[in-house]
Amino acid sequence: EAQLLESGGGLAQPGGSLRLSCAASGFTFTREVMGWVRQAPGKGLEWVSYITGNGGGTDYSDSVKGRFTVSRDNSKNMLYLQMDSLRVEDTAIYYCAKDRPYDGDYWGQGTLVTVSS
Amino acid sequence: SYELTQPSSVSVSPGQTARITCSGDILSKKFTRWVLQKPGQAPMLLIYKDTERPSGIPERISGSSSGTTVTLTISGAQVEDEADYYCYCVADNSWVFGRGTKLTVL
Repeated sequence: EAQLLESGGGLAQPGGSLRLSCAASGFTFTREVMGWVRQAPGKGLEWVSYITGNGGGTDYSDSVKGRFTVSRDNSKNMLYLQMDSLRVEDTAIYYCAKDRPYDGDYWGQGTLVTVSS
Repeated sequence: SYELTQPSSVSVSPGQTARITCSGDILSKKFTRWVLQKPGQAPMLLIYKDTERPSGIPERISGSSSGTTVTLTISGAQVEDEADYYCYCVADNSWVFGRGTKLTVL
């Protein structure tokens, strides 16, 4: 059974940094595009970033472009999100997710990031 | 950029059928998914590929598609179906979400 398990969330100060991790298991991670989605308190779901299977292609939402960096280590089945220059409005639960258009997407359980002074 | 439009709220009585729509031009080209989210919980996939249910999702939950509008139908709505429902699709590896619909069953 496929599983995505996020970690690394916590409290950060405005302007600070955090690195989120997502451990993937139960599917062939190496070839798969992976993504991050977030949800601010009381708000809807918002796409953040994706990375292609070999890591050569990435993209970001306008709200995080230039501040967040997505990466992966296929030897460890790990996905990462480096978040720099954090803002109060980055406070959210961050979900790791996998698009599977023909078989049903995978979602992780999420990790909470709080940006506050 | 793409937009998906959902009603902000839908209300039905227990046992009635709830229908939540999602519309957007991109839906004529991309498969739609629906997720349910209850307070404090991660999204749970209800429908993918417009009409398919993952294992464990009851048959009273169904999806349909017509052109640029997709519909999530919950037959025999129960109090435990109260939740936020989001439609979304994936275009060019970017996930496009509707703003969510709060379903009230009372």
